[in-house]
Amino acid sequence: EDQVTQSPEALRLQEGESSSLNCSYTVSGLRGLFWYRQDPGKGPEFLFTLYSAGEEKEKERLKATLTKKESFLHITAPKPEDSATYLCAVRPSLTTDSWGKLQFGAGTQVVVTP
Amino acid sequence: DTAVSQTPKYLVTQMGNDKSIKCEQNLGHDTMYWYKQDSKKFLKIMFSYNNKELIINETVPNRFSPKSPDKAHLNLHINSLELGDSAVYFCASSHNAGGPEQYFGPGTRLTVT
Repeated sequence: EDQVTQSPEALRLQEGESSSLNCSYTVSGLRGLFWYRQDPGKGPEFLFTLYSAGEEKEKERLKATLTKKESFLHITAPKPEDSATYLCAVRPSLTTDSWGKLQFGAGTQVVVTP
Repeated sequence: DTAVSQTPKYLVTQMGNDKSIKCEQNLGHDTMYWYKQDSKKFLKIMFSYNNKELIINETVPNRFSPKSPDKAHLNLHINSLELGDSAVYFCASSHNAGGPEQYFGPGTRLTVT
């Protein structure tokens, strides 16, 4: 059965204190791993898509990496505005049974204090 | 503004009532989705339509019925509401069914009393 596990559940950082979030997955034929950011009271906002092991994507202070079993979201020198819940999702093989279905993890809630 | 919009944002109702949530996207996307986010923040797919055709229908009580009058609109009707239906419901869209990026609406917080 496809599974996505994110750790830690919550992370409290001082401004400037770099850290990493983990997303481990088991899926039949990965067709993409996705990172989203969700602010309180809002819908998730797309950040990155990774397709193959070794791939990396960057956006401002965020960098996502992918291996065959997990993905990391590195936050470098975070600022208070990086506070949010970060969601990881996987898409299994694109068959008529799964189409564009994403399976989400429970998220990591990040709080960055000044 | 180009976006995915949902109405209403908040919905408080009593058990047994029937309610609807509406979603519209003006991004020109072919595919739309309904997700449910429970109190533990898990986001779970419920339904997906591609060009008005139902392509994803997860194990959801048949009290939930989606309808897509055109590819820019996807509504969710819920009959005989139960306490366990309380959650935040998100609509999303993507360029097509295999599109890598899904755009989410602001959510509808449903509270059943």
